Amino acid sequence: DQQVKQNSPSLSVQEGRISILNCDYTNSMFDYFLWYKKYPAEGPTFLISISSIKDKNEDGRFTVFLNKSAKHLSLHIVPSQPGDSAVYFCAAKGAGNNRKLIWGLGTSLAVNP
Amino acid sequence: DVKVTQSSRYLVKRTGEKVFLECVQDMDHENMFWYRQDPGLGLRLIYFSYDVKMKEKGDIPEGYSVSREKKERFSLILESASTNQTSMYLCASSLLRGGYNEQFFGPGTRLTVL
Repeated sequence: DQQVKQNSPSLSVQEGRISILNCDYTNSMFDYFLWYKKYPAEGPTFLISISSIKDKNEDGRFTVFLNKSAKHLSLHIVPSQPGDSAVYFCAAKGAGNNRKLIWGLGTSLAVNP
Repeated sequence: DVKVTQSSRYLVKRTGEKVFLECVQDMDHENMFWYRQDPGLGLRLIYFSYDVKMKEKGDIPEGYSVSREKKERFSLILESASTNQTSMYLCASSLLRGGYNEQFFGPGTRLTVL
């Protein structure tokens, strides 16, 4: 049973517009959420994270919003650029000294020029 | 900068061969992980290790084993490769500090089993 769900396998947006990638989770004990970006034939690279005690974290064009009551987080990319075209994975960490991350299946983002 | 390296970017093996995938990290991280990535299935954890000679099964350990003799090196072993083990294999490492652990990934090994 998937504890971290990315319900949209793919998303297509125009260059310059906002990209919104969504992630839902079921376990209220997760204490950190992370977003990774992955290009084909490369390893995932860390993008941005958020602690469960916060509701927003921003880093340049990337903002992550966390809605704990809805068990939902979203990644906003503004403005979207063609180089943002990649697969985005949402991951969650269990509370305390949990070493593993629980991963969503990913959303493939295509930013069209 | 954390660096995680994997021994091969591309590998082609025959069914029944024993396959070794090596991963090395240079940041003294205690935790190391092996994942496989397949289209539509995301990242699935095969094994992880939180210390030298310590290992724990992930979600899909069948057909795989691991070895961690030194802190910086984590090996994934396919005892007898099969075609359903054709995949992208990703190694990662992390350091747990203050309850937070970001995983750093290597470039991946694309394994094809014929």
